[in-house]
Amino acid sequence: QVQLKESGPGLVKPSETLSLTCSVSGGSIGSDRVYWSWIRQPPGKGLEWIGYIYHRGSTKYNASLQSRVTISSDPSKNQFSLKLTSMTAADAAVYYCAREAGTSPFYVWFDSWGQGTLVNVSS
Amino acid sequence: SSELTQDPALSVALGQTVRLTCRGDSLKTFHATWYQQKPGQAPVGVIYDTDKRPSGIPDRFSGSTSGNTASLTVTGTQAEDEADYYCSSRDRTGNDVIFGGGTKLTVL
Repeated sequence: QVQLKESGPGLVKPSETLSLTCSVSGGSIGSDRVYWSWIRQPPGKGLEWIGYIYHRGSTKYNASLQSRVTISSDPSKNQFSLKLTSMTAADAAVYYCAREAGTSPFYVWFDSWGQGTLVNVSS
Repeated sequence: SSELTQDPALSVALGQTVRLTCRGDSLKTFHATWYQQKPGQAPVGVIYDTDKRPSGIPDRFSGSTSGNTASLTVTGTQAEDEADYYCSSRDRTGNDVIFGGGTKLTVL
């Protein structure tokens, strides 16, 4: 059973960069056909996919966030990370990391999620 | 990217059947996934690839699709089914992942 756990600061200042890490256990982030995503949820609102990293470091980002997002991985630590620049109050959210087993191009299936970490944005 | 539209809230009497819907152009091409989220918890998948249930999900949860609308049906709703439900698919281009706005299901 794959387990994921987010870590990082709970408070970021406006205009600064958010850095979060997802630690994976029970599975390898180097596995083929597995995509490692970041998803966020503002308080009281819905889910928003941020992007993913997969096989040998290829990435794909939500078009609306692409200019501010970087997802990277550290296979030696079995971790992947999120950087989101120019943070504003609108970026305050619970940030989840999740695994998608890319078994089909016709659907997306996040079968494992971290517990989520709340990030506030305030000076 | 395209959108997925869900009813913001629904209610159902204990033991009755309720259908949650998710509409979007992308669903003509891509298959829906449904997630259940209880307060303070991460989402849990209840249906993937339109109508498949992962292990551990009760068979009272079922999925279907027609045209641009995907449905999640809960038959014999239990008190523990009270939660927010989100649908998801790829967008029309197949590049991005999109979520519906969510349906808050209340069990009376």
